[in-house]
Amino acid sequence: DGGITQSPKYLFRKEGQNVTLSCEQNLNHDAMYWYRQDPGQGLRLIYYSQIVNDFQKGDIAEGYSVSREKKESFPLTVTSAQKNPTAFYLCASNGGQTGANTEAFFGQGTRLTVV
Amino acid sequence: AQKVTQAQTEISVVEKEDVTLDCVYETRDTTYYLFWYKQPPSGELVFLIRRNSFDEQNEISGRYSWNFQKSTSSFNFTITASQVVDSAVYFCGPLDSNYQLIWGAGTKLIIKP
Repeated sequence: DGGITQSPKYLFRKEGQNVTLSCEQNLNHDAMYWYRQDPGQGLRLIYYSQIVNDFQKGDIAEGYSVSREKKESFPLTVTSAQKNPTAFYLCASNGGQTGANTEAFFGQGTRLTVV
Repeated sequence: AQKVTQAQTEISVVEKEDVTLDCVYETRDTTYYLFWYKQPPSGELVFLIRRNSFDEQNEISGRYSWNFQKSTSSFNFTITASQVVDSAVYFCGPLDSNYQLIWGAGTKLIIKP
């Protein structure tokens, strides 16, 4: 079945550590997105990528980094520079600029907690 | 700037009541898509509907219906005969010209048994 897989579901990080969240899709979507959601809040865009080997900063990119070496994969690294990383992280994909399949499909999310 | 207003932060109703969630958007684009998503307590976002701006017909899908009025930039969502399983946070928004979703703050819907 096609879909988006995020892993892990829960992640604990010590202060000062970098951690990487995985996002894989087999929907053949061009565009992929990372969002952050804090309790009781909406989604805020961290980074997005419309095509392989290219990505753009979203509204809250500071303290995060991404890569897009393969169409299927868009990992997010939360660096030690991110001062308040505890949040729920959602990955999404859609057809992007091709205009097709414009609805976004989401992964199940990763809940990151700093301990 | 493009933005979405979901004025109802939280709505609580008793099961079997009808409930309407409001969504007002702003966009620079003359043609665009509008979306509704549902986020149950598990956290995963579930796609509900996509509507093209040139199609102003209302849509009904089972207990769900959507009223799109381009003149007032509103895209409201009604659940008829609500059920406890409808309890979730609901998000609406337009897809901008970069094919990115513009998210509102969401409306938390609580259906009491």
